[in-house]
Amino acid sequence: QKEVEQNSGPLSVPEGAIASLNCTYSDRGSQSFFWYRQYSGKSPELIMFIYSNGDKEDGRFTAQLNKASQYVSLLIRDSQPSDSATYLCAVIRVNNNAGNMLTFGGGTRLMVKP
Amino acid sequence: DGGITQSPKYLFRKEGQNVTLSCEQNLNHDAMYWYRQDPGQGLRLIYYSQIVNDFQKGDIAEGYSVSREKKESFPLTVTSAQKNPTAFYLCASSIDSVQASYGYTFGSGTRLTVV
Repeated sequence: QKEVEQNSGPLSVPEGAIASLNCTYSDRGSQSFFWYRQYSGKSPELIMFIYSNGDKEDGRFTAQLNKASQYVSLLIRDSQPSDSATYLCAVIRVNNNAGNMLTFGGGTRLMVKP
Repeated sequence: DGGITQSPKYLFRKEGQNVTLSCEQNLNHDAMYWYRQDPGQGLRLIYYSQIVNDFQKGDIAEGYSVSREKKESFPLTVTSAQKNPTAFYLCASSIDSVQASYGYTFGSGTRLTVV
């Protein structure tokens, strides 16, 4: 089982709709969760991070975390064509002797159609 | 402006050749990381360094080597032992490996192609 799993997509939504991106993780001890956006040929950019169960909102973006179900999601409201990108879910892997590091899922490609 | 600079942006390697990818940061971050990304895939960890003069292997270290002689610099060498090096290489940093919980800053990447 992969440490962080995402549906590769593509997920296609019409402009103005809500896009829902999902991610599951295997390490029940994981504490910190991140969503990165990556445009084709570019490096990832951090959108949001979440540590606590529940929802965290930032503008059009809402991250949702359910540690009991080992599930984290990203909702994008009022989707725009400029939101078309690959969204990477990342989880902190705790390695007590060698520091913490991010483990990434394979990414979900989102397409927002005008 | 603070950030991470990767060079070159594009690199072509001949069979059997070693090449070195540069990564420099002026963020005063202690921890630095190298990731590899294949088309349509996520990021896989190659090597990481928590502090100067120290580094550890990641999940796919075979065929790669690194050094960390200065806090600002973490170059990656792709050796001839790496049989399939064509990929997008990303360097990242964080304040330290504990505060990696605040996320990473990424460089703009180097696209390596074997010719």
